[in-house]
Amino acid sequence: QSALTQPASVSGSPGQSITISCTGTSSDVGGYNYVSWYQQHPGKAPKLMIYDVSNRPSGVSNRFSGSKSGNTASLTISGLQAEDEADYYCNSYTSSSTLVFGGGTKLTVL
Amino acid sequence: QLQLQESGPGLVKPSETLSLTCTVSGGSISSSSYYWGWIRQPPGKGLEWIGGIFYSGSTYYNPSLKSRVTISVDTSKNQFSLRLSSVTAADTAVYYCARMAAAGTRYFDYWGQGTLVTVSS
Repeated sequence: QSALTQPASVSGSPGQSITISCTGTSSDVGGYNYVSWYQQHPGKAPKLMIYDVSNRPSGVSNRFSGSKSGNTASLTISGLQAEDEADYYCNSYTSSSTLVFGGGTKLTVL
Repeated sequence: QLQLQESGPGLVKPSETLSLTCTVSGGSISSSSYYWGWIRQPPGKGLEWIGGIFYSGSTYYNPSLKSRVTISVDTSKNQFSLRLSSVTAADTAVYYCARMAAAGTRYFDYWGQGTLVTVSS
């Protein structure tokens, strides 16, 4: 199975909004609403930010939102803050009953 | 509060078998609503799903690793384990165990802190 496609890096200034895309196929992202997003700070374990495309776990800021159109899912962070600087990974369930991660996106807050 | 903790050797020789255990505390591993997974991350690279197991023993593996991976569960000890055979330097990574919600959904909600395994002679 191939990794989902994410941009290697994105950047934005404090207060701005950014969007990270996650492109797969009809066998994964496009076929199921089981897309999740994870934030990872250096040296730390990943943290769940969005599940089932657009749901936020308790405790996650409402500045984080998710959506999906066709085979592409997106994570949007509004009102960027310095603490949002991290790596972000998408994940999807697949038609083979497996899971696949995206290659990861490094977010830089300028 | 659920906690997961990986344990096992930090150094494995090439061609040998990597073995890790994940101990779950603060909750039972015997729930049909969750399955228990392993994810790894080579230094400076992205996350890779290795596989997972339900408490009943049903397993799911990454096709690229399937021939070398075995995941097992010990409900009496509230633990699950990973074995990866015939390792090479490419298997050097931080290995995470995690809980995946599986009742009409799929996402990892609790993660261990991760353990670095280096493959080297």
